[in-house]
Amino acid sequence: QKEVEQNSGPLSVPEGAIASLNCTYSDRGSQSFFWYRQYSGKSPELIMSIYSNGDKEDGRFTAQLNKASQYVSLLIRDSQPSDSATYLCAVHSNAGGTSYGKLTFGQGTILTVHP
Amino acid sequence: GAGVSQSPSNKVTEKGKDVELRCDPISGHTALYWYRQRLGQGLEFLIYFQGNSAPDKSGLPSDRFSAERTGESVSTLTIQRTQQEDSAVYLCASSPNIGYGYTFGSGTRLTVV
Repeated sequence: QKEVEQNSGPLSVPEGAIASLNCTYSDRGSQSFFWYRQYSGKSPELIMSIYSNGDKEDGRFTAQLNKASQYVSLLIRDSQPSDSATYLCAVHSNAGGTSYGKLTFGQGTILTVHP
Repeated sequence: GAGVSQSPSNKVTEKGKDVELRCDPISGHTALYWYRQRLGQGLEFLIYFQGNSAPDKSGLPSDRFSAERTGESVSTLTIQRTQQEDSAVYLCASSPNIGYGYTFGSGTRLTVV
């Protein structure tokens, strides 16, 4: 079982729609959760971080965390063609072991927003 | 500096040569990470440094790979006797401490011919 799994995609949504990106993780000791956006040929860029259960909103982006279900999601409202990118979920565990100290990344979901 | 700086941005080398990649993290960031990303693939952890602690080298793929960091500043990743499978983008990132989100540099694209 992969430590961090994302919906495989690619995901295609029309402009103006809500894009929903999902991520599950296996380590119950995980405490910090991040979403990165990576445009083709560019390096990943941190867009959201979330540490406690519930929703966190930042502009058109909402991160949702449910630790009991080991699930974190990213919603993008009013999607724009400029949101087309690969979205990476990343998780950090404070529980020690081999994952401690570094983020574990999912494989990413490719999002395409078409006009 | 304002961001994580990596150099060179591109490097083409012949198989069997050694290469050195440099990363200058954000000032004050105690944690520094190296990742590799092959074309169309995910991020592969290589090594991280945290303050004066011993580095976590668990991701280095072979003994041809090594990295150093001077205090809480510049890091260099060295690949000896490069092979074609080493071709990838090498990304450096830093964070204020472990458990925080990373800021990535723009990467070094290494091509071994």
